[in-house]
Amino acid sequence: EAGVTQSPTHLIKTRGQQATLRCSPISGHTSVYWYQQALGLGLQFLLWYDEGEERNRGNFPPRFSGRQFPNYSSELNVNALELEDSALYLCASSLLRHWNYGYTFGSGTRLTVV
Amino acid sequence: AQSVTQLDSQVPVFEEAPVELRCNYSSSVSVYLFWYVQYPNQGLQLLLKYLSGSTLVKGINGFEAEFNKSQTSFHLRKPSVHISDTAEYFCAVSYKAAGNKLTFGGGTRVLVKP
Repeated sequence: EAGVTQSPTHLIKTRGQQATLRCSPISGHTSVYWYQQALGLGLQFLLWYDEGEERNRGNFPPRFSGRQFPNYSSELNVNALELEDSALYLCASSLLRHWNYGYTFGSGTRLTVV
Repeated sequence: AQSVTQLDSQVPVFEEAPVELRCNYSSSVSVYLFWYVQYPNQGLQLLLKYLSGSTLVKGINGFEAEFNKSQTSFHLRKPSVHISDTAEYFCAVSYKAAGNKLTFGGGTRVLVKP
């Protein structure tokens, strides 16, 4: 069974540009979660999607947005990039009805803003 | 608001010695508790979880954790560590009322020395 896959592995952008990060969940998982892991700030919850809808959002500005497609894959978009957006972005998936069994994480996309 | 505190940011330990990583959470309601491990340049891997039942939970790689409701703690232990256990360990908590969101502690970096 394939795990959660994220692309690209690394992404370098210039301040002010837009970044698009992609995530494919485990087959059959309908929920996708996005987390930001910035140096010294731990893991911060960004977004939760299920069945194509945004179900919960963390304390991030609106320039962080995303969507979930009919095949349950997801995109995270970061507009007007700032230097402090440099971080490892982790995607995770779960079955909605088994969310309390824990998430399965991908290996992440490392975004560097210069 | 829910929070998770990992009391030690770094724990150096010699190979074959025991290790305990401390985790405390803030909540008076039912919780689900997790420990994840993150090896360098990788995503998070689930070590173990507490959902209900026995307060002593056994996980992968010889790790175990004990849920203590009165002390709101979920400490992780391993009786004998290996060099390969060098990694960062994250405690996490979820509450159904929080909408499936996992809240993570700040992480504990374990460095196993030969």
